[in-house]
Amino acid sequence: AAGVIQSPRHLIKEKRETATLKCYPIPRHDTVYWYQQGPGQDPQFLISFYEKMQSDKGSIPDRFSAQQFSDYHSELNMSSLELGDSALYFCASSYDRTATAGGYTFGSGTRLTVV
Amino acid sequence: AQSVTQPDIHITVSEGASLELRCNYSYGATPYLFWYVQSPGQGLQLLLKYFSGDTLVQGIKGFEAEFKRSQSSFNLRKPSVHWSDAAEYFCAVGPGGGADGLTFGKGTHLIIQP
Repeated sequence: AAGVIQSPRHLIKEKRETATLKCYPIPRHDTVYWYQQGPGQDPQFLISFYEKMQSDKGSIPDRFSAQQFSDYHSELNMSSLELGDSALYFCASSYDRTATAGGYTFGSGTRLTVV
Repeated sequence: AQSVTQPDIHITVSEGASLELRCNYSYGATPYLFWYVQSPGQGLQLLLKYFSGDTLVQGIKGFEAEFKRSQSSFNLRKPSVHWSDAAEYFCAVGPGGGADGLTFGKGTHLIIQP
């Protein structure tokens, strides 16, 4: 079965640079969620999109922005990177803003290292 | 605000022994509850979920969990662990709708002794 695809798998950036992470949800899933997991931490919800509109916002820094495109893929843009942004970034998708149809399915994540 | 507590940061279990990982939640309405497993540097794999109905939920890899509303708990169990079960286990709670994100516990690191 198709899964949530994230790219790139690994990314190394310098401080103050910009990074773009991409997420391709499971086909027919219309809701995308972004999470940040720091080293040894639990995943923290950043932001979500439903039908290409921002739906909910968590602890996302102002330096970060995201959007969902017409094909439902999503991109997380991170500017003015800081060392503390080094983390594993997960994308998850679901159908119709609910987990009941199949749950939230997570991608394998993008490991961002800021040096 | 919703929250999840996993009281045990680390648990060590001998291979073949039974396992129980604790999870307590705080949520104003009927929660949607999840258990995820994560191997080092890997993604989150869904073990099982509870939305409604039978309070004993069966998941993958021989895991099960029981929802106890009176105790606000959703403990994960496995009758006999295998070395491959060594991983980080996260309990999570969410509304399951409105595209709100899940709230995760801090995780329990499971160590399997030979």
